[in-house]
Amino acid sequence: DTGVSQDPRHKITKRGQNVTFRCDPISEHNRLYWYRQTLGQGPEFLTYFQNEAQLEKSRLLSDRFSAERPKGSFSTLEIQRTEQGDSAMYLCASSLAAGEFTQYFGPGTRLTVL
Amino acid sequence: AQSVTQLGSHVSVSEGALVLLRCNYSSSVPPYLFWYVQYPNQGLQLLLKYTSAATLVKGINGFEAEFKKSETSFHLTKPSAHMSDAAEYFCAVTPYSGGGADGLTFGKGTHLIIQP
Repeated sequence: DTGVSQDPRHKITKRGQNVTFRCDPISEHNRLYWYRQTLGQGPEFLTYFQNEAQLEKSRLLSDRFSAERPKGSFSTLEIQRTEQGDSAMYLCASSLAAGEFTQYFGPGTRLTVL
Repeated sequence: AQSVTQLGSHVSVSEGALVLLRCNYSSSVPPYLFWYVQYPNQGLQLLLKYTSAATLVKGINGFEAEFKKSETSFHLTKPSAHMSDAAEYFCAVTPYSGGGADGLTFGKGTHLIIQP
């Protein structure tokens, strides 16, 4: 069990550019979650997948955001036409769907939009 | 709809003193409740969780929390603070109806400072 990994750990981009983040969950976990955390705040739920199906999306997930989990393993989160307000830590977590449902978090990707 | 309120954005205690971090929740359905800890530049680590089995929950690193339905509270305590406890602590809630596996709603966090 290597834990949840995220790549990259840091991303600096210019306003208007597109960025993509990757999350690799714990191997046997079929649920995968994305959260956003801004400075001084708690994480805010964005979306989650069960296997490859996206089951819930927060209204925080604007049209510029899209998440995929094509084969039910790793997931990507893309932000198009980034804005300065997108600067945040993007956290990924994974869990089992039933039984032991603790969400295990990755180290996060810190996005800075200049 | 659910929400979490953590009273005190910063709490300072002396090493060896009691730690008390407050969390009140609002939920229209029975909740699952969690406490997570976050060290600088790291992800969140689960301290403990309430899943309706027992109202007093023991977690890692000597922390425990008690679920009080009448007070809608889930305060985190530790009898004796250690310097290594200095971190950000988050309380979170998710509806029981989702089997505990829906997205979490977090509070804004409490920064715990340990004075030597």
